[in-house]
Amino acid sequence: QITLKESGPTLVKSTQTLTLTCNFSGFSLTTVGAGVGWIRQPPGKALEWLALIFWDDDKRYNPSLKSRLTITKDTSKNQVVLIMTTMDPVDTATYYCACRQGTGWFDPWGQGSLVTVSS
Amino acid sequence: EIVLTQSPGTLSLSPGERATLSCRASQSVSSSYLAWYQQKPGQAPRLLIYGASSRATGIPDRFSGSGSGTDFTLTISSLQPEDFATYYCQQSNSFPFSFGPGTKVDIK
Repeated sequence: QITLKESGPTLVKSTQTLTLTCNFSGFSLTTVGAGVGWIRQPPGKALEWLALIFWDDDKRYNPSLKSRLTITKDTSKNQVVLIMTTMDPVDTATYYCACRQGTGWFDPWGQGSLVTVSS
Repeated sequence: EIVLTQSPGTLSLSPGERATLSCRASQSVSSSYLAWYQQKPGQAPRLLIYGASSRATGIPDRFSGSGSGTDFTLTISSLQPEDFATYYCQQSNSFPFSFGPGTKVDIK
C-alpha cells in the first residue's frame, strides 16, 4: 500500500522560503518509472501542478514558477523535498505530494499541507 | 502548454440522474495521458479514471470515461449521494502537466 504525507510549516512570512517534505512508503524512488509530484490548491480554487521528480533524478517544473522551485529526493529516507523561494500571500494554498503512476496520473495523494503566507 | 477547459462549471442534479462532464484540451492529448479525479471538501483528490477510460482500483462502474483528441467526457450513470463533489481532469501528454478548472456537481 502506497502512502504519502506532507510536512512543513503552516505559516510563513512574505519573502521567506518554504520547505516542504513528502515522506512516502510502499514504493521506491529507485524503481524505474517511479516519480513523485507536487500539486497545490489555493483555498476554493483549482489544482495547479508544480513539479515532478523521477527515479533517474530528472526534474520537471511548472514554467510559471520554475525560477522559485527546487525539487530533490533522498531515496535512503523515502523523502522528496520541495523548496519554494520568495513566498507571497498568493502562494497560500494546500500543498499536496502524490505518486506518479503509469503515463503520468497521480495516485495516491498525500493528505495535503495548508501553508498560509502572511504579509 | 496545454490548457484544459471543463464545462459546465457547476452541474446541479438530483440523486439517480446521469451526469456528463466535459474536458476540452487546447491541443490534442493522447488518450493514454488523460485522467479524472474526484475531490470532496477538505479531502485530497482521488483518482477515478486514467488513460481516458480505465477505472482506477475500487472505483464503481457507474463512473466511465471516454473521448480522444481534444474532447473528453466523464459520465456518472446514476448519481449517488457520495458522488456530489468537484471533478478535475488532468493531462500528462506534455510538460507542464495541467489540470482543468473543475466541475462541481451539486445537489439540485
